[in-house]
Amino acid sequence: KAGVTQTPRYLIKTRGQQVTLSCSPISGHRSVSWYQQTPGQGLQFLFEYFSETQRNKGNFPGRFSGRQFSNSRSEMNVSTLELGDSALYLCASSLSGGLPGELFFGEGSRLTVL
Amino acid sequence: QKEVEQDPGPLSVPEGAIVSLNCTYSNSAFQYFMWYRQYSRKGPELLMYTYSSGNKEDGRFTAQVDKSSKYISLFIRDSQPSDSATYLCAMIGGGSQGNLIFGKGTKLSVKP
Repeated sequence: KAGVTQTPRYLIKTRGQQVTLSCSPISGHRSVSWYQQTPGQGLQFLFEYFSETQRNKGNFPGRFSGRQFSNSRSEMNVSTLELGDSALYLCASSLSGGLPGELFFGEGSRLTVL
Repeated sequence: QKEVEQDPGPLSVPEGAIVSLNCTYSNSAFQYFMWYRQYSRKGPELLMYTYSSGNKEDGRFTAQVDKSSKYISLFIRDSQPSDSATYLCAMIGGGSQGNLIFGKGTKLSVKP
């Protein structure tokens, strides 16, 4: 069974630009969560989607947004990039009715903002 | 005070040592406690899972939860070089099960 797939794996942007990251969950998983990982703050929750609806949102500015499609694939977008947005962005999927808190992570998209 | 505190290390031990990793938390409402392992350039993977207080053992790994002290631990027996990774404690935050609150992670290196 294929794992969580994230694209692109690496990208470089400049301040002010926007970026879209993509995530394909494990087949059958309908919940997708996004996290930002930085050396200073660690892993921080961005948002969670289930059946195309945002179910929860972390404490990030409105420049961070996401969506989920009918096939459970998800995208997140960051507009007006700032230097501090440089991070590893991780997507995780989970199974409805599965173990609470068991998330299956992708390998991440590493964003560098210059 | 952050909701979950974890010593970032790094922690370096010789092969075969017993490793103790710890986290403290502030929210007494937390019920589910996880340990994730993250290898370099990889996403985290669930290693151990505990509900409420008590111990759970899985091979060389033991997870302990002491809710009265708001303290959780992960013990690794007979540590191996392949255990070298960052270990993150996690708890389910509010609202939904996909919202995990992570410690900052402890980087462990096991030397042959």
